[in-house]
Amino acid sequence: NAGVMQNPRHLVRRRGQEARLRCSPMKGHSHVYWYRQLPEEGLKFMVYLQKENIIDESGMPKERFSAEFPKEGPSILRIQQVVRGDSAAYFCASSPQQGAIYEQYFGPGTRLTVT
Amino acid sequence: GENVEQHPSTLSVQEGDSAVIKCTYSDSASNYFPWYKQELGKGPQLIIDIRSNVGEKKDQRIAVTLNKTAKHFSLHITETQPEDSAVYFCAAPRSSASKIIFGSGTRLSIRP
Repeated sequence: NAGVMQNPRHLVRRRGQEARLRCSPMKGHSHVYWYRQLPEEGLKFMVYLQKENIIDESGMPKERFSAEFPKEGPSILRIQQVVRGDSAAYFCASSPQQGAIYEQYFGPGTRLTVT
Repeated sequence: GENVEQHPSTLSVQEGDSAVIKCTYSDSASNYFPWYKQELGKGPQLIIDIRSNVGEKKDQRIAVTLNKTAKHFSLHITETQPEDSAVYFCAAPRSSASKIIFGSGTRLSIRP
C-alpha cells in the first residue's frame, strides 16, 4: 500500500510565476490536508478538502492561494504570482475518515524555493 | 482560542537515558492527541496517539500520557537510541474537529 505521494519534491520558481503542488492520498483515503512549514518552524494548517469539496480553508491566505481535490486525480495546491515569502516546505496529509480526530499520514513534502 | 504549547524546544539526552516532551492545549473539547516524528528532509511520521478516554498508551519504548483536567499530555521515550534524534511535534484538534493544531516542535538530540 503506497503512502502519500507528493510531487514535485523540489520546485524552483521566479517571483511572479505560478507554482502547482500535487498530492495523491493513500489508497482508500478521501480526505486531504495541506500544511506549510517554514524553516525551523512547526506545521501550519492551510486547508482541508474532501473529493470535490473544500471543508475548511481557514488557514489559506486570502489571495494567490487556491486548492482543489477533484473527483479524479490528485489534490492540487496552486500559488499564483509567487513571492519570496512563499518559500517553504508544503506537506499534504491524508486521512481515512472525516475530521481531525482521525490519523493523518503525511507525504514527503514539496520544497518550494522562490528566487 | 486554538493554542498548543510544546516544551522544551530543544532537548539533548545521553544515549540510553529517557526523554520527556510536554504539551499543553487550550481547547477543552479536544479529544485526540497525536505525536509526530520528523527527520531531516522528510515528512512528519505518526508515531503514537492517544484519545481522551484513556490516560496512558505505550508502544515499545514510546509512551504518551494524558491529563485532561490539566489539559496537558506528554511523550516519553525510554532507552533512547541515536535513531531517535529528530524533531517531535505534538498536536490537538480544534473543537470544530476540522483541523489539528501543531505544537512548535522539540529538537531531540541523542548524545553517544
